[in-house]
Parts: sequence; structure tokens; C-alpha cells
Amino acid sequence: DQQVKQNSPSLSVQEGRISILNCDYTNSMFDYFLWYKKYPAEGPTFLISISSIKDKNEDGRFTVFLNKSAKHLSLHIVPSQPGDSAVYFCAASALNTGNQFYFGTGTSLTVIP
Amino acid sequence: DAGITQSPRYKITETGRQVTLMCHQTWSHSYMFWYRQDLGHGLRLIYYSAAADITDKGEVPDGYVVSRSKTENFPLTLESATRSQTSVYFCAIRSGDAYEQYFGPGTRLTVT
Repeated sequence: DQQVKQNSPSLSVQEGRISILNCDYTNSMFDYFLWYKKYPAEGPTFLISISSIKDKNEDGRFTVFLNKSAKHLSLHIVPSQPGDSAVYFCAASALNTGNQFYFGTGTSLTVIP
Repeated sequence: DAGITQSPRYKITETGRQVTLMCHQTWSHSYMFWYRQDLGHGLRLIYYSAAADITDKGEVPDGYVVSRSKTENFPLTLESATRSQTSVYFCAIRSGDAYEQYFGPGTRLTVT
């Protein structure tokens, strides 16, 4: 049973506009969240993280928002660039129960020049 | 990332054969992980290791064996490969004081 869900398999955005990637989780014990970007034939690369004690974390063009009551997080990319075209995975963990992160199925982002 | 290597990058094997996927890190991070990536499932944790000689099961450990005699190596063995183990396998590492994991380039395994 998928504990972390990314319900949009794909997303297309014009260059310069905002990309919003969404992630929902079912386990209320999850307290740490990661976003990864993955290019074809490469391993995922870490983008940004957020702890449940925060509701927002920002790193350059990337911002992650966490809504604990809705069990929802989102990744905002502003402005979107063609090089951002990749598959994005969110991952969640309940840190006090071990080292396992649960990953979503990914959203393929295409930024159109 | 150059600090994590996986070998082989591509492997085709037959059902019932034993196959070992290698993961090597140059950073001496304490934690190492094995994931498989399948369409519709994202990445799922197979096994992980918190240190040399310490391993633990993840979400999908059946059919796999791991060992970690040295900090820098974390081999994953399929003792008797099945078609359902056709997948892309990723090794990842993390340090003891951070939660972000850093992934290797992956091994694409096909079981015929």
C-alpha cells in the first residue's frame, strides 16, 4: 500500500513560469520529507528537505511547503527552466522508527522553452 | 555522484542464476541502502546497513541477501533470480548526522 503518493504522473510548464509538484502521504507519523530530481539513466539527486517542525523551506528557485493537517507537501520551482525537466520524487520518513524513507511514484516535469 | 559507484551498470541473467550487484563508496558514510525502482512503485527499499556488519530489512527484502564486511562496500545478491526481480537497482549512502541520501547511477538488471 503506497504511503506516499504523487497523483500527477506528468506536468508540462512554460519556461519562466512556476512548476508545482504535489505529494500526499497517509502516515501521520512521517516527520521528515525529501525531494529528489532524476534524469534518465542517472540516480536521483537530492534537492531539498523539510522537517515537520517547519511549514516551508526555501533553497534558491526551489521551495517546499508542508501542510501537516492535510498530509500534503508541494515543491515549487520558480522560475522553471528547461534543465528542470526530469522526474521528481518525494520521500517521507518517521525518523524515530528507523531509517526507511518511503518514496512516491514520481512526477515527470517537462519545461517547454 | 563520483563518490558512489555501482557495477555492473547493465546485467542480463537467466531465471535461477545467482547474481551480485556491487556498490562502492569513497566517503566512508556509515549508512548504505539498496533500492529498486519499478514503474508504478517509485523506489522501494530492499535492505540497508547502518555500519559494517549491521544490516536490516527494508520494504521488499524477499529474494535478496546483503552483507557489509567493509564500510565502503555493500553488495546485493539475488540468490536465485526471478523475472519479477527485473528492475533498476540503486545504491544510496548517507552520513550519520544527516538524513539526505545520495544515490549511485543505478544497475539495470534484466532476468530472462
